[in-house]
Parts: sequence; structure tokens; C-alpha cells
Amino acid sequence: EAGVAQSPRYKIIEKRQSVAFWCNPISGHATLYWYQQILGQGPKLLIQFQNNGVVDDSQLPKDRFSAERLKGVDSTLKIQPAKLEDSAVYLCASSLEQPYNEQFFGPGTRLTVL
Amino acid sequence: AQRVTQPEKLLSVFKGAPVELKCNYSYSGSPELFWYVQYSRQRLQLLLRHISRESIKGFTADLNKGETSFHLKKPFAQEEDSAMYYCALRGSTLGRLYFGRGTQLTVWP
Repeated sequence: EAGVAQSPRYKIIEKRQSVAFWCNPISGHATLYWYQQILGQGPKLLIQFQNNGVVDDSQLPKDRFSAERLKGVDSTLKIQPAKLEDSAVYLCASSLEQPYNEQFFGPGTRLTVL
Repeated sequence: AQRVTQPEKLLSVFKGAPVELKCNYSYSGSPELFWYVQYSRQRLQLLLRHISRESIKGFTADLNKGETSFHLKKPFAQEEDSAMYYCALRGSTLGRLYFGRGTQLTVWP
């Protein structure tokens, strides 16, 4: 079966610019997660969707980050405006609806903010 | 607050030697613990979880609630075990994972 897809794989922008990342989860997976992984650290959850509703966005910097999951399938994560400290790998993961199911990760998008 | 600590950033062993990757956690309730692995140029993937109590690729991990630890062990390391290993904790039914910073394991021939 196809895995979690993300695009773009790499993005370089200047600070104060905007950027958007796209994620297509595994078919049938109701739960979708966005993680931020800064160099030298483990992934940190930004936001979790259950179908098209937000379950947990407590760690999302809402002044500059936004995410949506229209129709409960694909999702986009946006940063506007970007800061230098946003340089990181952004990982998307998905899982079946039941809370104890395994999370499957995408390849990530590496963002560099200059 | 939930916290996962992996004290070793880098770990090197020779092929055939035993290996132990340390993980300590802090959580007030009963957590679910995981080990994730990322091989070079591959995606992050689940290696094992404590509730399964199984051995995957020769690796085992036992949850020690008294010491709040979940160390990953393998008696005889192989070169293909070289990868980044992350310990993770889930403390609620929402699925949110808390990751440690990771340990880069290198197995020399």
C-alpha cells in the first residue's frame, strides 16, 4: 500500500516569507498528525486531526502557523510569516481512528529559513 | 509534565557486541512506551511498543516502572542496526507522542 505522501521535500525561503506544506495520508486513516523536528531534537507534535476536526493544537504557534484538513483527507500546514527558528523538518503522520493504532510517517519536508 | 530522556546522543559498538540504548521518562500516570527507528534515507518507523512485549529484529525493551526506564537491548548488534533510534511516550488516548532527542547507533564491522 502507498505510504504517507508529503510535498515539497525541500524548501528554502527568506524570513518573513510564507510557505505551505502538503500531506496526503494513507487511505482510510482518520487521524493525521503534523510534527516539527528541529535539528538534534525529536519530533514535536504541532497539531492532530481526527477526520477534519482538530483534536490537539496546544503546541501550534497560532500567531504564525495554521493547518487545515478539508474533507478529512489531505492536509496543509502553513507558516506566515516564517522566522529563522522555523527551520526544521516537518513530518506528517497518519493512523487509523482507534487511539492505540500505529502512526505511519511521511518522508518529511525540510524547511530552511534564511 | 511528560518528558523522555535519551542520555546518549551517539553510541558506537562493534558487530556482535551487545548494545543497550537508554531511555528514561517522567509521567504521572501509566504511559505507553515505544521505540521508533530511522534508517539512513528512510522514514521514521515503529520498531516496538512495550504493550506488545515482542522482539523485533532481535531487539527487546522492558518497561521498568520503578526506574521509569524503557531501555532497548540487543545481545548481538549487526551492521544493519546502524540508525537513529527514538524513544517515545504516549500518555493519553488521544495518540499524542512525546519523543526523546534520539540516539545515533553505529555498528562497526
